[in-house]
Amino acid sequence: GQQLNQSPQSMFIQEGEDVSMNCTSSSIFNTWLWYKQDPGEGPVLLIALYKAGELTSNGRLTAQFGITRKDSFLNISASIPSDVGIYFCAGPRTDTGRRALTFGSGTRLQVQP
Amino acid sequence: NAGVTQTPKFRVLKTGQSMTLLCAQDMNHEYMYWYRQDPGMGLRLIHYSVGEGTTAKGEVPDGYNVSRLKKQNFLLGLESAAPSQTSVYFCASSYDQAGVYSNQPQHFGDGTRLSIL
Repeated sequence: GQQLNQSPQSMFIQEGEDVSMNCTSSSIFNTWLWYKQDPGEGPVLLIALYKAGELTSNGRLTAQFGITRKDSFLNISASIPSDVGIYFCAGPRTDTGRRALTFGSGTRLQVQP
Repeated sequence: NAGVTQTPKFRVLKTGQSMTLLCAQDMNHEYMYWYRQDPGMGLRLIHYSVGEGTTAKGEVPDGYNVSRLKKQNFLLGLESAAPSQTSVYFCASSYDQAGVYSNQPQHFGDGTRLSIL
């Protein structure tokens, strides 16, 4: 199947630290998406990646599309308390003709002020 | 600027009861999705729709039914609720398939927290 494995499952860091998380799959993806879910809300798209090797930034966030197309990475620099939440990777599901997404299990980030 | 609206926000049911969760979007999106979120399991696709009058099964469809009679509404039904269906349910919509384009992503509601005793 197209399972997405995220690590770490959770992180507890100090404000100002940099954060790295990753997402891997046994299947090839042609698109990688990174979402953030704030407590009590639905996920919101942060970054989209469309090409192997692509590096894309959104403010303090940087994401990379792995060269093998089986992984992706998200980095957050100089973390702040509002970075708290769950970060999900996602990609198009081939079992739906790419009409829907599959999501990873998420990385829960907590930031100590 | 309502976006995706889910009702109700919270509900407690007894085993065997039925209920319908409503999702409404005001963005004229063709695609709509229902997910469930359980601790440590991310978002799992229950059913989805690629347009008015269409529905399709996702990853975990058993025990649920859906209908898309109007383009703006996507209903999720539980005919006979079971404790295993205790979860947070999210609805999402997108302009085109899967919402993979950054300028037209999937938009999510704020969820319905459902507890089944």
